[in-house]
Amino acid sequence: EAQLVESGGALVQPGGTLRLSCAASGFTFSSYSMNWVRQAPGKGLEWISYISPSSATLYYADSVRGRFTISRDNAKESLSLQMNSLRAEDTAVYYCARWRTGATFDFWGQGTLVTVSS
Amino acid sequence: DIQMTQSPSTLSASVGDRVTITCRASQSISSWLAWCQQKPGKAPKLLIYDASSLESGVPSRFSGSGSGTEFTLTISSLQPDDFATYYCQQYNTYPYTFGQGTKLEI
Repeated sequence: EAQLVESGGALVQPGGTLRLSCAASGFTFSSYSMNWVRQAPGKGLEWISYISPSSATLYYADSVRGRFTISRDNAKESLSLQMNSLRAEDTAVYYCARWRTGATFDFWGQGTLVTVSS
Repeated sequence: DIQMTQSPSTLSASVGDRVTITCRASQSISSWLAWCQQKPGKAPKLLIYDASSLESGVPSRFSGSGSGTEFTLTISSLQPDDFATYYCQQYNTYPYTFGQGTKLEI
C-alpha cells in the first residue's frame, strides 16, 4: 500500500530556514513526479512545487520561487523541500503529493505543520 | 495564472439529497480538471480526474462532467461520510490552481 510520510515541520522565526522531508513507500517512487502543496490555517490548497522523476524538471509557484528548493533522492525514496527566508505567510500544513500522469495528485501524505512566527 | 471559482462556497444538504457543485475556470482547460475531497485534519483525497473519470475505489455516486471552462461535481445520493470540503483543481497549465472550496454541511 502506498504511503507518504512528511516530517520536519516546526515553529520557526521569520527569516529562518527549515527542511521538510517526505518518505515514500509501497510504490515505485522513482517512476513518479512529486509535488508539495500547502494549506494555510482555515484556507484552501496551494500548489507550490513540482519535481519530475529524474529531477530534470522543476517548477515553483511565484510565492516561493527563489526561497524554496525541491529535491529528491530516488535511492532513499525521499522528497525534500528546503525552505529559506521564511515569512509569516508561509505558515501552513505542507503536504507531499504524488503525481499520476493524466490524473494529477492521486495520493497525499498526512501533512506537516510549519509555523512562522516570532 | 488560471483562476478557479467554485460555487457555492457552502452547501447545506441532507442525507439522500442529490447535490451539484460548480467550478469555473478563467480560461479553457480542456478536460484537465480534478475534484478532491478533504475532511477536517485530513489530507485531500482524489475523487475525479480528467473532468469525468472516477478514481479507483471512489463510490459511483460521485460523478463529474464538463469541459473548457465549466465543470460540475454531482453526488447522486448524499451519505453521512460525504460531508466534507470539496475542491476543484486545474492541471492544464502551471501553476496548477485550486478553487476556494465548497463546504458541504448537514
